[in-house]
Amino acid sequence: NAGVTQTPKFQVLKTGQSMTLQCAQDMNHEYMSWYRQDPGMGLRLIHYSVGAGITDQGEVPNGYNVSRSTTEDFPLRLLSAAPSQTSVYFCASSQTGFTDTQYFGPGTRLTVL
Amino acid sequence: AQSVTQLGSHVSVSEGALVLLRCNYSSSVPPYLFWYVQYPNKGLQLLLKYTSAATLVKGINGFEAEFKKSETSFHLTKPSAHMSDAAEYFCAVKSNDMRFGAGTRLTVKP
Repeated sequence: NAGVTQTPKFQVLKTGQSMTLQCAQDMNHEYMSWYRQDPGMGLRLIHYSVGAGITDQGEVPNGYNVSRSTTEDFPLRLLSAAPSQTSVYFCASSQTGFTDTQYFGPGTRLTVL
Repeated sequence: AQSVTQLGSHVSVSEGALVLLRCNYSSSVPPYLFWYVQYPNKGLQLLLKYTSAATLVKGINGFEAEFKKSETSFHLTKPSAHMSDAAEYFCAVKSNDMRFGAGTRLTVKP
């Protein structure tokens, strides 16, 4: 059981570039979420999904896109990266929702120059 | 809208001393409350959660937290700190979606 995996671990982008952060889980969890972590601000919810084909916005969705075509995968897309998106990104999954235990991936550290 | 305030961005205790990390919340509906721990360069791990079953919640590694509705608080305690407790701790509330506090970094001195 790998749990929640994220790739890449580190990424440097130039302003305006696009990229996709990958997230996968092998626990057959329905809920998956993306957070960003910034110093002094804790974690902020970007987007989440309650099941395949269903996504919704969190607290800070602007500049990010998601889709959920399978239960296992929940990629996060940056269409045109900006320096304000420099952050550490965490993916999480849970069986039944936010009230259930969330299992977090190891994170992706993204720098946008 | 719900929110979480963690009092003190950095707490330092001696090994064997009491650990007290403070969390206050606001929520328009009965909340679910959580404490997560993050070790260096790792993702978050659930310590404990309050789901209205009991006001005193016991978690892993000897931590516990008490839900006090009148004070809108959910402080995290551990009677005796261990060096391995050094980490960052996040309080979180779920009513509509998930909101995390800014975090408290715990340092344990030998």
